[in-house]
Amino acid sequence: GQQVMQIPQYQHVQEGEDFTTYCNSSTTLSNIQWYKQRPGGHPVFLIQLVKSGEVKKQKRLTFQFGEAKKNSSLHISATQTTDVGTYFCAEVSSGSARQLTFGFGTQLTVLP
Amino acid sequence: NAGVMQNPRHLVRRRGQEARLRCSPMKGHSHVYWYRQLPEEGLKFMVYLQKENIIDESGMPKERFSAEFPKEGPSILRIQQVVRGDSAAYFCASSRDSGNSPLHFGNGTRLTVT
Repeated sequence: GQQVMQIPQYQHVQEGEDFTTYCNSSTTLSNIQWYKQRPGGHPVFLIQLVKSGEVKKQKRLTFQFGEAKKNSSLHISATQTTDVGTYFCAEVSSGSARQLTFGFGTQLTVLP
Repeated sequence: NAGVMQNPRHLVRRRGQEARLRCSPMKGHSHVYWYRQLPEEGLKFMVYLQKENIIDESGMPKERFSAEFPKEGPSILRIQQVVRGDSAAYFCASSRDSGNSPLHFGNGTRLTVT
């Protein structure tokens, strides 16, 4: 079945440093979604990318969708302690029964 | 505007007992999804339901697990004869339609089997 690979699995950064997580798929994706889960919390939707080469920004967060629609990235500039959490990418399954398949996530720790 | 409501937040069961997890989707949402998350792991899809119908249960273990979403009332995930390996966080999510709408997750039920 489909599988979304996400790297790195863990990332520790000093507050103020940048952070990037990458999501790769072996198949072409119709769209990709990103979620954030704080420690002990639940996943919260961040953004959806649909178009090839699409770039979207939310304050310090920049999301990109690859030209071939097989990869995506989330970049956070000048991290803050509030950025701590696990960031998941998720792809919509093909076929009539739509379900989101999540990557394993990147667990971000921001050291003050 | 109430979000996705899950209860209980924490559930402790002894091996062999039954666990019932409830989920009320967001108002206006008729699509419900259940995911399981083990510590330090990602979210694993279990089942996708619409009112009175199971659309996709490909992620659900064949035995002991069942789910329903009746015409009236919340969606229920039922685990019979629980074992220690069932200990996990179970998240319910809902969406407005079956297209590419984002999922809204509940706070989850943390199941501990002793």
